[in-house]
Amino acid sequence: AQTVTQSQPEMSVQEAETVTLSCTYDTSESNYYLFWYKQPPSRQMILVIRQEAYKQQNATENRFSVNFQKAAKSFSLKISDSQLGDTAMYFCAFMKHAGGNQFYFGTGTSLTVIP
Amino acid sequence: DAGVIQSPRHEVTEMGQEVTLRCKPISGHNSLFWYRQTMMRGLELLIYFNNNVPIDDSGMPEDRFSAKMPNASFSTLKIQPSEPRDSAVYFCASSGVQTSNYGYTFGSGTRLTVV
Repeated sequence: AQTVTQSQPEMSVQEAETVTLSCTYDTSESNYYLFWYKQPPSRQMILVIRQEAYKQQNATENRFSVNFQKAAKSFSLKISDSQLGDTAMYFCAFMKHAGGNQFYFGTGTSLTVIP
Repeated sequence: DAGVIQSPRHEVTEMGQEVTLRCKPISGHNSLFWYRQTMMRGLELLIYFNNNVPIDDSGMPEDRFSAKMPNASFSTLKIQPSEPRDSAVYFCASSGVQTSNYGYTFGSGTRLTVV
């Protein structure tokens, strides 16, 4: 079974600063995909970034980047130049490469950006 | 595309009543997922369908819950009879053959309150 752990229930960051949200996972699979979703107060789930396990290069999307450490089974999200609109719940998710497209979600990290 | 459409957005009902939540997935997506979100348990997968066929319903809490997908463009989640502990936000999500590239697309959720 796959498990995803987000050990930081809540975090805060000053506007314009950088923050890193942690995510670890447990799997026996060698190939898989990892995702970060954002859920603002509107409760809409929005895909932020994705990473393929077979790619060593860390994914980047504008101010969002990941630090993917496959051996350590770690997939952290870095938000640079934090903005007030980044205030949201952030969920890490895992999907196997083969055998269905079911996601396994972490419990989420609530991020508050302080003006 | 209008995205994944869920209705109603809010539902307040009395204990013992039947509740039906509705979802219209994105056209062309062949997988549909029902999730329940609570503060205590986070995001829980209730059931998912591939090509309108239920694949895994192990997350359905009990016989009071049932889900159907009569065609590729519509799904329902029914709770009968409803109980206060069913109060949560229920999300529907869909994905296509390239889930690994694009992840899930979520609806806006239905906030259910059972009093």
